[in-house]
Amino acid sequence: EDQVTQSPEALRLQEGESSSLNCSYTVSGLRGLFWYRQDPGKGPEFLFTLYSAGEEKEKERLKATLTKKESFLHITAPKPEDSATYLCAVRLSGTASKLTFGTGTRLQVTL
Amino acid sequence: DGGITQSPKYLFRKEGQNVTLSCEQNLNHDAMYWYRQDPGQGLRLIYYSQIVNDFQKGDIAEGYSVSREKKESFPLTVTSAQKNPTAFYLCASSSGRQGATYEQYFGPGTRLTVT
Repeated sequence: EDQVTQSPEALRLQEGESSSLNCSYTVSGLRGLFWYRQDPGKGPEFLFTLYSAGEEKEKERLKATLTKKESFLHITAPKPEDSATYLCAVRLSGTASKLTFGTGTRLQVTL
Repeated sequence: DGGITQSPKYLFRKEGQNVTLSCEQNLNHDAMYWYRQDPGQGLRLIYYSQIVNDFQKGDIAEGYSVSREKKESFPLTVTSAQKNPTAFYLCASSSGRQGATYEQYFGPGTRLTVT
């Protein structure tokens, strides 16, 4: 069965303390991996799309990387405003435009 | 500004009543989606539509219905047959065109409470 697993479920960091979030997938025929940020009570906000192993994308303090089995979202020197739930999703071959989402990592950055 | 709107933000209904959630987009996207989000769970796909007048069931379609009469609009009806309708409902859209990227863009969501 195709699965998307995110870890850890929750992460608490101090401001400036860099870390990484993990998204592992056991799917065949990956046709894209997507990262989103979701604030409480709001819709997810698109961050990155990665298509092939070795690909990297960056945006401010965030950097997403992709291997054949997993993706990492690296957060460098986080600030309190980076606190949110981060979701990853995968698109599989033969599924048109459908995405399968993980359950997310809740990140809290404190002063 | 281009985007996706959902209304209302909060919705309260009595058990046994059908309720329709609105979703409109002005991004000129072909594909639209409805998801349900419950605490501690990922987004689960209810229905999706890749083109006007056509839609497919997602993973949890039972108790829901949709229509796609216009490219811009994809309303979701939560029927009385849905056993646990209280949830946060999210609408999304994507380009859906061949050769396009497949990221989905989300609306602000509707929180439905059924008592």
